[in-house]
Amino acid sequence: DTGVSQDPRHKITKRGQNVTFRCDPISEHNRLYWYRQTLGQGPEFLTYFQNEAQLEKSRLLSDRFSAERPKGSFSTLEIQRTEQGDSAMYLCASSQQGAAGELFFGEGSRLTVL
Amino acid sequence: DAKTTQPTSMDCAEGRAANLPCNHSTISGNEYVYWYRQIHSQGPQYIIHGLKNNETNEMASLIITEDRKSSTLILPHATLRDTAVYYCIVGLAGAGSYQLTFGKGTKLSVIP
Repeated sequence: DTGVSQDPRHKITKRGQNVTFRCDPISEHNRLYWYRQTLGQGPEFLTYFQNEAQLEKSRLLSDRFSAERPKGSFSTLEIQRTEQGDSAMYLCASSQQGAAGELFFGEGSRLTVL
Repeated sequence: DAKTTQPTSMDCAEGRAANLPCNHSTISGNEYVYWYRQIHSQGPQYIIHGLKNNETNEMASLIITEDRKSSTLILPHATLRDTAVYYCIVGLAGAGSYQLTFGKGTKLSVIP
């Protein structure tokens, strides 16, 4: 399967721990996005990369959230000092520059903070 | 970005056409209408998008009114696998399209 892959699919952690999610986009896509989805709500935009450049990060929920895409390929989303309110599905998507708006999403990483 | 209004839920009989409405009365001239769907426990899936003209692809048809204030997504022959939450989104294309604002969508239930 050459779609967007995310790892891990499920993560259970204790409050205060750090967690990191990885996203591998479709190989020819240069744009990569992170969204968060809580129960009963639509996905909420967090941040966006074009190649290795993070072009929008003002929607990251707090300074505990950070994302990287060091070589313009895979990306990581880290949450430091997790809180129970961080429990959600974290979705990664990618797109081609010329087909903006047509995002391909992964299956998501579900975080549960105890 | 312009906001959209969608019914919370709809039912459709299997094999019939599913017509999902969306109101976007504040859409601006350079904003597109996008439709995505999300099957339970999966990531959202792109369906179709359009600016002014009606669009059709292998999944669905998109009908946009002449004043662009509303649109309808049509699934011509709904199957049980089309049961999902359908999101209507208005947003820019090109460099401004990075941030799609999803609402709560319409939960479509296809009934045998």
